[in-house]
Amino acid sequence: EIVLTQSPGTLSLSPGERATLSCRASQSVSASLLAWYQQRPGQPPTLLIYSASTRDTGIPDRFSGSGSGTDFTLTIRRLEPEDFAVYYCLLYDNSPMYTFGQGTKLEMK
Amino acid sequence: VRVQESGPGLVKPSETLSLTCAVSDVSISSDNWWNWVRQSPGKGPQWLGEVWHGGRTNYNPSLQSRLTISVDKSQNHFYLVLTNVTAADTATYFCARRIRGVYFFDPWGPGTLVTVSS
Repeated sequence: EIVLTQSPGTLSLSPGERATLSCRASQSVSASLLAWYQQRPGQPPTLLIYSASTRDTGIPDRFSGSGSGTDFTLTIRRLEPEDFAVYYCLLYDNSPMYTFGQGTKLEMK
Repeated sequence: VRVQESGPGLVKPSETLSLTCAVSDVSISSDNWWNWVRQSPGKGPQWLGEVWHGGRTNYNPSLQSRLTISVDKSQNHFYLVLTNVTAADTATYFCARRIRGVYFFDPWGPGTLVTVSS
């Protein structure tokens, strides 16, 4: 089973700043199998990015995804107040099995 | 596409948890896999398993011995049955759609909290 490790666990930033969130896989994976979600309290996760770098419909362009192999990044430029939430990466492997990272909490400084 | 979970909020230890997901605005027989995901309080989500309208299933190996996911095409519903529950099964349970050929879940239902307690 592939393990996903997200870092940092908590990121404290101010509105207008840039956030960089990391998701590392325990072995090399195809970028087409990696997605990012945002989750606000009391809500289900919302899809932001799929195939590592493709924004879902309606997602603002301040959200971007990148990476390959074992290292993937979600970048949020110019944080808005509504961006403070928990972010998860999701990976499919061919077992078939889906694995979520443990999450990064983006909190307002 | 909309999905909505329903089921009991409280289940006793060693008993069986049964949940229903109602699918709206698309036929459950369309080109989709239907999934269950759960999230324990303060933890990341955990994928449980998925079902195709023809009945084919994929399960998380850690739960496979206790888990059954099935579909009722006449009702446009799919189901989760988890046997012999313990406190570790306390979580919010979500149902979600996965389009065939893609590897993410969207949309998700709002979730239903299930507590395992005597």
